[in-house]
Amino acid sequence: DGGITQSPKYLFRKEGQNVTLSCEQNLNHDAMYWYRQDPGQGLRLIYYSQIVNDFQKGDIAEGYSVSREKKESFPLTVTSAQKNPTAFYLCASSILGAANYEQYFGPGTRLTVT
Amino acid sequence: SQKIEQNSEALNIQEGKTATLTCNYTNYSPAYLQWYRQDPGRGPVFLLLIRENEKEKRKERLKVTFDTTLKQSLFHITASQPADSATYLCALRDETSYDKVIFGPGTSLSVIP
Repeated sequence: DGGITQSPKYLFRKEGQNVTLSCEQNLNHDAMYWYRQDPGQGLRLIYYSQIVNDFQKGDIAEGYSVSREKKESFPLTVTSAQKNPTAFYLCASSILGAANYEQYFGPGTRLTVT
Repeated sequence: SQKIEQNSEALNIQEGKTATLTCNYTNYSPAYLQWYRQDPGRGPVFLLLIRENEKEKRKERLKVTFDTTLKQSLFHITASQPADSATYLCALRDETSYDKVIFGPGTSLSVIP
């Protein structure tokens, strides 16, 4: 069963702690993305990666870090430097150079920092 | 500055009617535009893509138009059903980066039985 998995679905952390969100895909997609969504808002791009060991900052990368050591995996670390980390985080993937460029999304991780 | 705007207010329509959602963009020249559906607490799901040289695209009860002169896309759901209630997002490729996608804020649609 192909798709994108994110874990956990809900995550609670204390302020000042770093936290890593998992994203795995078995679709053999080259491109992977991390978005943040706040209540009533659209998706904002945090980081994206087109190939293993390479990634680019999106519009709101400050306070976040990523790695892409394997094609299937693109974990996101929310650091203590992120001022407002509580949000819904979505991971997505897509084929590079595909005719329709659709993105496939995971189920999301809701992070609450208190 | 670059901007993508969608209907600012939630849309409530009667079952059976046609829902029309608007996506306007500023200072982009997208080669194509996408529409996604998002249910509460879940990731968006791709619905349709329309290219700049296509005026209209259809898929079952869905129809999308793309007017590059007006810088606008319209998304129609005909014979709407309560199951169509969701948030609908438009998205376009950022021309500065081949694989970077910019999403609009979304429009919440409620279909009332």
